[in-house]
Amino acid sequence: KNQVEQSPQSLIILEGKNCTLQCNYTVSPFSNLRWYKQDTGRGPVSLTIMTFSENTKSNGRYTATLDADTKQSSLHITASQLSDSASYICVVSADKAGTASKLTFGTGTRLQVTL
Amino acid sequence: DAGITQSPRHKVTETGTPVTLRCHQTENHRYMYWYRQDPGHGLRLIHYSYGVKDTDKGEVSDGYSVSRSKTEDFLLTLESATSSQTSVYFCAISESMGASPGGAQYFGPGTRLLVL
Repeated sequence: KNQVEQSPQSLIILEGKNCTLQCNYTVSPFSNLRWYKQDTGRGPVSLTIMTFSENTKSNGRYTATLDADTKQSSLHITASQLSDSASYICVVSADKAGTASKLTFGTGTRLQVTL
Repeated sequence: DAGITQSPRHKVTETGTPVTLRCHQTENHRYMYWYRQDPGHGLRLIHYSYGVKDTDKGEVSDGYSVSRSKTEDFLLTLESATSSQTSVYFCAISESMGASPGGAQYFGPGTRLLVL
């Protein structure tokens, strides 16, 4: 069964600090991995999409890494801001043509940035 | 929210009543999706559409039906609502197939449904 596990479940950091969120997956065959940011009461917003051949991708202060061999990804947030407080969801896509039902969503890491 | 609206945004209903949620997009994207989000679970796909009148089931489709008569509208119907269908429902759209590398999904603001 395809699974995506994220850690930690929740995290509190001080404004200005860096943090790293983890994602381990067992989805096979692998197609791509996405990170989403979901603010409370809103829909998820895409941060990055990485394919098998990409091992790093940045979007501003967000940098995602992918190790397809160990089936791990991380999302690094640099110089955190209060607006980074949100849930971060890892999503892995299986390489199965002709279907939209092969996206496996993690349960997310809830990040709180405090003063 | 990328030109996606959902209505209603909040709804309280009673067990056994039919409920229809609407998703409307102004992006002219081919693919549309309905997900539910519950505590302790990742987003789970209910149904999706790959064109007008073309729909398919997701992993949690029991008790739900969908219709897409126009490119811009995708309706989700709970034929007879149950308490287990209390959830937050998200609509999403994409230009390409959602699972493909180019299939970035854009999500609506969500509908919070409470079934008493």
